[in-house]
Amino acid sequence: EAQVTQNPRYLITVTGKKLTVTCSQNMNHEYMSWYRQDPGLGLRQIYYSMNVEVTDKGDVPEGYKVSRKEKRNFPLILESPSPNQTSLYFCASSLRPTSGGGNEQFFGPGTRLTVL
Amino acid sequence: AQSVTQLDSQVPVFEEAPVELRCNYSSSVSVYLFWYVQYPNQGLQLLLKYLSGSTLVKGINGFEAEFNKSQTSFHLRKPSVHISDTAEYFCAVRKGSSNTGKLIFGQGTTLQVKP
Repeated sequence: EAQVTQNPRYLITVTGKKLTVTCSQNMNHEYMSWYRQDPGLGLRQIYYSMNVEVTDKGDVPEGYKVSRKEKRNFPLILESPSPNQTSLYFCASSLRPTSGGGNEQFFGPGTRLTVL
Repeated sequence: AQSVTQLDSQVPVFEEAPVELRCNYSSSVSVYLFWYVQYPNQGLQLLLKYLSGSTLVKGINGFEAEFNKSQTSFHLRKPSVHISDTAEYFCAVRKGSSNTGKLIFGQGTTLQVKP
């Protein structure tokens, strides 16, 4: 089954304790992205990756890191989480975006993070 | 900068009634438009998309949307809703010339279908 998986689905942690949220896709997609969803704000892009070893900042990258060492995986790293990073996080993937097409982004089930 | 506005944060409606969820975007360039649905405790699922061509786009689950360039709108409609349509709906825009794949999302509209 074609899918995007995220782990963990739920996480409660404390300020300053480093954590990683994993994201994996099995569709051989070049493009992957992380979003955070907050009430009244919709989804905002944190980081994206056009391919292996190619990553770039989205709209709200502060406090986050990513890496793309393999095509299928795109982990999100919070080196020193703070309460304002409490949110619902979504990973997404798609075929390589081009100016001529609107390739569908497939979303994972989400990770609900609470930072105390 | 591009922005997407969903004009209603919540839309309550009775089962079998028609519904319209409104979406306006700001952009002076060509865009691709999307509607996603998020069921409780799930990720986002694509309902439909407009890339070019016919301005009336049909999607899954009986939903359709109409692209109106002059009004910069992309409203989502369904003639008769079911309880199972209760979910949050997101309108999103991607700039046509963009190679980054970035989607700009609206704030979301919660559709509450009542029996």
